[in-house]
Amino acid sequence: QVQLQESGPGLVKPSETLSLTCTVSGGSIRDSFWSWIRQSPGRGLEWIGYISYSGRTSYNPSLKSRVTISVDSSKNQFSLNLRSVTAADATVYYCVRGPEEFLGDPIAYYFDYWGQGALVTVSS
Amino acid sequence: QSVLTQPPSVSGAPGQRVTISCTGSSSNIGASYDVHWYQHLPGAAPKLLIYGNGNRPSGVPDRFSGSRSATSASLAITGLQAEDEADYYCQSYDNSLSGVIFGGGTTLTVL
Repeated sequence: QVQLQESGPGLVKPSETLSLTCTVSGGSIRDSFWSWIRQSPGRGLEWIGYISYSGRTSYNPSLKSRVTISVDSSKNQFSLNLRSVTAADATVYYCVRGPEEFLGDPIAYYFDYWGQGALVTVSS
Repeated sequence: QSVLTQPPSVSGAPGQRVTISCTGSSSNIGASYDVHWYQHLPGAAPKLLIYGNGNRPSGVPDRFSGSRSATSASLAITGLQAEDEADYYCQSYDNSLSGVIFGGGTTLTVL
């Protein structure tokens, strides 16, 4: 059973960088692409971006200028950095498995395993 | 404003059947990208309910079913139960945005 666990500061100051790490257990990070998704009140679910074990990334165009997702295959972890945060970035962030990978390409854009979620507050 | 449009809320009595629609466009559902559905219970992480338009992951009751046609998709829930009360989201891929998209979510109330 694949399990994902988010970790990182729950409080970030405005204009600073939000950093979260996801640790994958029960499976290899080489088996799939891995994504970050956030849940904004009144805005539903929002896909932030994905990464493969080799470092191939794709980002939501609306966040692309502020987002970096990285991977550490040796630790079975991947991470999210979101720069220049504002109050609008205060929400729950989920790390998830997906899209499904085949020969290095994403082939099925669904998310089958989710972390429990990390609540991030933006405040000085 | 979500790229995929869902009704904000639906409701039904226990035992009844409800459907939740998800309307897209020619750059997502209409471009033959698959639709997936998630159930989001309060205080929990979203759960994959339907993938690939109509497939259920192991453990999801067959009371839940999905379908896709043209530029829209639907989630049907039969034999409604109190535990089905949750938010439901559809999700697909959009080739003009080059990214994953979600519907705005539908709150299901069991009367």
